[in-house]
Amino acid sequence: DAGITQSPRHKVTETGTPVTLRCHQTENHRYMYWYRQDPGHGLRLIHYSYGVKDTDKGEVSDGYSVSRSKTEDFLLTLESATSSQTSVYFCAISEYRQRTDTQYFGPGTRLTVL
Amino acid sequence: AQTVTQSQPEMSVQEAETVTLSCTYDTSESDYYLFWYKQPPSRQMILVIRQEAYKQQNATENRFSVNFQKAAKSFSLKISDSQLGDAAMYFCAYRGMEYGNKLVFGAGTILRVKS
Repeated sequence: DAGITQSPRHKVTETGTPVTLRCHQTENHRYMYWYRQDPGHGLRLIHYSYGVKDTDKGEVSDGYSVSRSKTEDFLLTLESATSSQTSVYFCAISEYRQRTDTQYFGPGTRLTVL
Repeated sequence: AQTVTQSQPEMSVQEAETVTLSCTYDTSESDYYLFWYKQPPSRQMILVIRQEAYKQQNATENRFSVNFQKAAKSFSLKISDSQLGDAAMYFCAYRGMEYGNKLVFGAGTILRVKS
């Protein structure tokens, strides 16, 4: 299994509070991703990173920000959490090899915003 | 933008039987990758199989195989000799060649295995 951890694994918070989720990898892979999983939608990309301090938006980036100050860590921040951000959040990593790269996923974080 | 459609929200199969999960996608690209991921109740996302669009041969991994029809933009997963451990949510995913190697997922199909 790819060395990917996410913390926390579960979190309950209140509307309007800031929340930061952490993804940590031990594989030294260049690419890191944040997805959210919701019933009926599968997984949707929030943000991704293609290197230290290099990030870009995904399909559902509104209300989220990210930072990557080290290769191994990718942080997802909800500046002011809303109930619509209740979801399961997955981090993924991949090494960029055009023909052979595959994304490997972390265990997920269940976030509930009350 | 690319889209991935899984038209079967739920499927059931008897243990030891064969089941096929459907996936269609929409793209204007000629070169891309397709994946099936399995998500058991543990929530872990597990890669089952991948297919490269430029390869005509269908991918196989033990009891798992795909039927890739490029012209029809169809990518179905066949599970042979179904086992209780195959019960899970299955996601079809598409990756194009644009920068970032981003995945686009279908909504998923829940597979139930009856003993």
